[in-house]
Amino acid sequence: NAGVTQTPKFQVLKTGQSMTLQCAQDMNHNSMYWYRQDPGMGLRLIYYSASEGTTDKGEVPNGYNVSRLNKREFSLRLESAAPSQTSVYFCTGGAYGENEQFFGPGTRLTVL
Amino acid sequence: TQLLEQSPQFLSIQEGENLTVYCNSSSVFSSLQWYRQEPGEGPVLLVTVVTGGEVKKLKRLTFQFGDARKDSSLHITAAQTGDTGLYLCAAIIQGAQKLVFGQGTRLTINP
Repeated sequence: NAGVTQTPKFQVLKTGQSMTLQCAQDMNHNSMYWYRQDPGMGLRLIYYSASEGTTDKGEVPNGYNVSRLNKREFSLRLESAAPSQTSVYFCTGGAYGENEQFFGPGTRLTVL
Repeated sequence: TQLLEQSPQFLSIQEGENLTVYCNSSSVFSSLQWYRQEPGEGPVLLVTVVTGGEVKKLKRLTFQFGDARKDSSLHITAAQTGDTGLYLCAAIIQGAQKLVFGQGTRLTINP
């Protein structure tokens, strides 16, 4: 039982490049979330998926797209990376609108 | 504008001292959580409080939820170097269905 897994763990991109961050959970949670964490800003919600087949914007969705591929997987795509997207990205799974979020280990992304 | 304001943002104290960190909002929470995050890892849940006035203890950590469910505090007694980390509060605001996080308190316990 791995919980929430994220790949890759580290990534360096050049401005304008695209990439997809992968996330998978084996905890049977209906809802999944993508956050970014920046110094002094805490965790900010990018997108979330309350259930398979649905996605909604969070606090900072611009420059990102998501896909809820199935109940287990929720991916985050950067179509044209910008230096402002340098951050640590966390995927979580949890019961929608309720309590605990289970965090993945994070992806540390640097955009040059 | 942060929905949840944590204070202080940074705290450095000596081992054995006591400390309190705060999480405040102008909104009413359905529930509030405290997480602890170590370098290079994701946050891990410490506690969830639901009822106004609720107090929960986890060894040397005491969590309190305000009577009006707008604020919370985390008190650590006799801090140890192992308590070092980033402490985050998170809450579901009444009427919303998403968890929002404070900006965190970075705690350093010096030997």
